[in-house]
Amino acid sequence: GAVVSQHPSWVICKSGTSVKIECRSLDFQATTMFWYRQFPKQSLMLMATSNEGSKATYEQGVEKDKFLINHASLTLSTLTVTSAHPEDSSFYICSARVRTGSSYNSPLHFGNGTRLTVT
Amino acid sequence: GQQVMQIPQYQHVQEGEDFTTYCNSSTTLSNIQWYKQRPGGHPVFLIQLVKSGEVKKQKRLTFQFGEAKKNSSLHITATQTTDVGTYFCAGLASGGYQKVTFGTGTKLQVIP
Repeated sequence: GAVVSQHPSWVICKSGTSVKIECRSLDFQATTMFWYRQFPKQSLMLMATSNEGSKATYEQGVEKDKFLINHASLTLSTLTVTSAHPEDSSFYICSARVRTGSSYNSPLHFGNGTRLTVT
Repeated sequence: GQQVMQIPQYQHVQEGEDFTTYCNSSTTLSNIQWYKQRPGGHPVFLIQLVKSGEVKKQKRLTFQFGEAKKNSSLHITATQTTDVGTYFCAGLASGGYQKVTFGTGTKLQVIP
């Protein structure tokens, strides 16, 4: 159980275009989804926290107008990289928590990640 | 903001040797979780520690949470090639805020 599906697995786009990444919890409801960015050989950097039905909370230094997050339902969150540039090339991973009474103690379940390359 | 550091950054061990990674948070944690990420893969949850001084075991893996709830360790006994990967600790800040901060990670390489 607790499967998170992320799509697409990889995408190559031209500079200036926008890319949408989907994150779905397949067999559970996710109160909260998190979007991370990971550079090669580095740790996961939290970009934003996405709560169903409300605005995402962005981490310091993350441009909310560039990285648009929509959490329309308890099973789907999307990250749109707008007007992508080569420096946005990275590995983006979403994660979700199972909705429980004390959800802050729930482990994170990760999607397989999306490798974005902007040319 | 909260920082979570891990040491060492890299570790090469001969198969059969033991391995330990240490995790230190700049702030007191509500809980700590450990994840393993294989090369090219995504992080996979291993375990969660909540209580001060807690020790948990999973076969050859032993996890500890410090008394002050600011540090943790993962010890692997008699490493195997299947243990290869990067191990991350991830701390939930005290106070109920839901954000989990990942440690810098320790990459383990096991030489057969």
